[in-house]
Amino acid sequence: GQNIDQPTEMTATEGAIVQINCTYQTSGFNGLFWYQQHAGEAPTFLSYNVLDGLEEKGRFSSFLSRSKGYSYLLLKELQMKDSASYLCAVRDRSGQAGTALIFGKGTTLSVSS
Amino acid sequence: DAGVTQSPTHLIKTRGQQVTLRCSPKSGHDTVSWYQQALGQGPQFIFQYYEEEERQRGNFPDRFSGHQFPNYSSELNVNALLLGDSALYLCASSLEVTAGNEQFFGPGTRLTVL
Repeated sequence: GQNIDQPTEMTATEGAIVQINCTYQTSGFNGLFWYQQHAGEAPTFLSYNVLDGLEEKGRFSSFLSRSKGYSYLLLKELQMKDSASYLCAVRDRSGQAGTALIFGKGTTLSVSS
Repeated sequence: DAGVTQSPTHLIKTRGQQVTLRCSPKSGHDTVSWYQQALGQGPQFIFQYYEEEERQRGNFPDRFSGHQFPNYSSELNVNALLLGDSALYLCASSLEVTAGNEQFFGPGTRLTVL
């Protein structure tokens, strides 16, 4: 089966660094995605990892360890506008030809001043 | 360059009715996926269309069906609506040949079943 776990809520202050962890179990791993979703809006793409290691994109970085079934999203220099839900999603190709994403329940990050 | 568009924005139906939701993919994209997102949850995969065929399906009953047209736009149909079908329905598009197959999401249709 497929299972994706991430913390439900996290809080942090402006200017700080926060790390959101994600663990997954899947039989046909084919990439891990992080999306940001503000309340009432559509998810927007943040990062994609398919190989082990760190991918950096501005204030956001994402790390993947396939052997451990583990990823994290690192947000630096936090701003109030970073308050949102962060969704970890895995693409599982086992048994099917499609590219569906399996999402975790999301981590609600609250940034305070 | 228009992104993913969905219609309608909001919809209110009663139990037992049928509903059709529409999606136009991002320009140049050929694959459309549909997701259901209940309040406080992550999106759940319903199905994916490519080359006008359903090629992958999640754990949803047959009441959920869809279609993809030659211009790559797509419809999601739900029959015999239940209260539990109330959710945000998201359409996402992607380009099959790109390495990451990053999916771009539309703004969603908020369906309320009374």
